[in-house]
Amino acid sequence: NAGVTQTPKFRVLKTGQSMTLLCAQDMNHEYMYWYRQDPGMGLRLIHYSVGEGTTAKGEVPDGYNVSRLKKQNFLLGLESAAPSQTSVYFCASSPGLSGGALAYEQYFGPGTRLTVT
Amino acid sequence: KNEVEQSPQNLTAQEGEFITINCSYSVGISALHWLQQHPGGGIVSLFMLSSGKKKHGRLIATINIQEKHSSLHITASHPRDSAVYICAVRSVGNEKLTFGTGTRLTIIP
Repeated sequence: NAGVTQTPKFRVLKTGQSMTLLCAQDMNHEYMYWYRQDPGMGLRLIHYSVGEGTTAKGEVPDGYNVSRLKKQNFLLGLESAAPSQTSVYFCASSPGLSGGALAYEQYFGPGTRLTVT
Repeated sequence: KNEVEQSPQNLTAQEGEFITINCSYSVGISALHWLQQHPGGGIVSLFMLSSGKKKHGRLIATINIQEKHSSLHITASHPRDSAVYICAVRSVGNEKLTFGTGTRLTIIP
């Protein structure tokens, strides 16, 4: 199993450009999450999904949109990139309630380093 | 005040030393997670616990629910343990985690 994969690994955008980050998991997990990690701050939740076709806002959702059209994929979109969105983005997945005691065990992707100039 | 506070922020120790990293939180929780982020950036889950103590190899995690405090211990530390250790909590009735800012551990040979 590949686990959780993210594409791309690196990207440089100009202010105002748009892009989509792709997260894919092959573990049949129900829950998926998008986080951003900035220096001196803990991981912060952007959006999350508790199942195919569902999404919800996290702690810092402004400027981002997400979609979960297929259970294995969770897309994060930036419609009009801003320098404040320069960050490392991590996707994670969890089994969900069918996982019993491991329902919320988090499996992370390798991260995407995004720079907005 | 952050919901999750870790101490120390940075820790440097000699190989072989016993390491303790602390995590305090301010909300009622369902579970607490300890994660490890390697210098290359990858994040792996070490422990998920809601009571007592868990052990995996040289790593031990404890939690005191009444005191809202958890510790991560590393015995016989090794340079390969150098990483950022992150504490995160899941509050009751929530699918989401709240993360601490991490403890950067450096083990010197």
